Amino acid sequence: NAGVTQTPKFQVLKTGQSMTLQCAQDMNHNSMYWYRQDPGMGLRLIYYSASEGTTDKGEVPNGYNVSRLNKREFSLRLESAAPSQTSVYFCASSVSGMGYGYTFGSGTRLTVV
Amino acid sequence: GIQVEQSPPDLILQEGANSTLRCNFSDSVNNLQWFHQNPWGQLINLFYIPSGTKQNGRLSATTVATERYSLLYISSSQTTDSGVYFCAAGAGSYQLTFGKGTKLSVIP
Repeated sequence: NAGVTQTPKFQVLKTGQSMTLQCAQDMNHNSMYWYRQDPGMGLRLIYYSASEGTTDKGEVPNGYNVSRLNKREFSLRLESAAPSQTSVYFCASSVSGMGYGYTFGSGTRLTVV
Repeated sequence: GIQVEQSPPDLILQEGANSTLRCNFSDSVNNLQWFHQNPWGQLINLFYIPSGTKQNGRLSATTVATERYSLLYISSSQTTDSGVYFCAAGAGSYQLTFGKGTKLSVIP
């Protein structure tokens, strides 16, 4: 099925460990995004990639890095996980920055202990 | 940056009732979207509506950009409408600011 695929769906890390969240879309979208969702906070943008080869910081980029590997794939890396990074992470893609065709993945629930 | 406020924060409806959800935003926007997050966490794009009115089945949305608000109407609500409804706004960039959402519970 066409859409946005995130892996893994669940992950538990110890403080200080690193990991990479993977995201791939098969809709030929130009723009991709990483959001985090915390209780009572709505969704907040971590990083985005307007097009292949570009990445930019969003509202809450500290502690994260991203890579736009190609047009389909956009990964999010936590170099040294902290308990404050416990959250649900969503990847999304859109045809353009105006948000037309905005599609979310199913999310990754990350717990840092 | 843009501030987005949604009301009410919680809403309980009897099946078959109608409802109106409101989204206020602090600045001029050229990107306004409504999303539904179902009880399993999946986010679905409902409307891209920076201005004007759109309808999709029992759902419709209206954005009055000059007065900086948007409304989402749900008619003849069903239990499958339960979840959280988010409004998100942006102005000339790739960054969308999400509101905190309205949690809707539709009871049989």
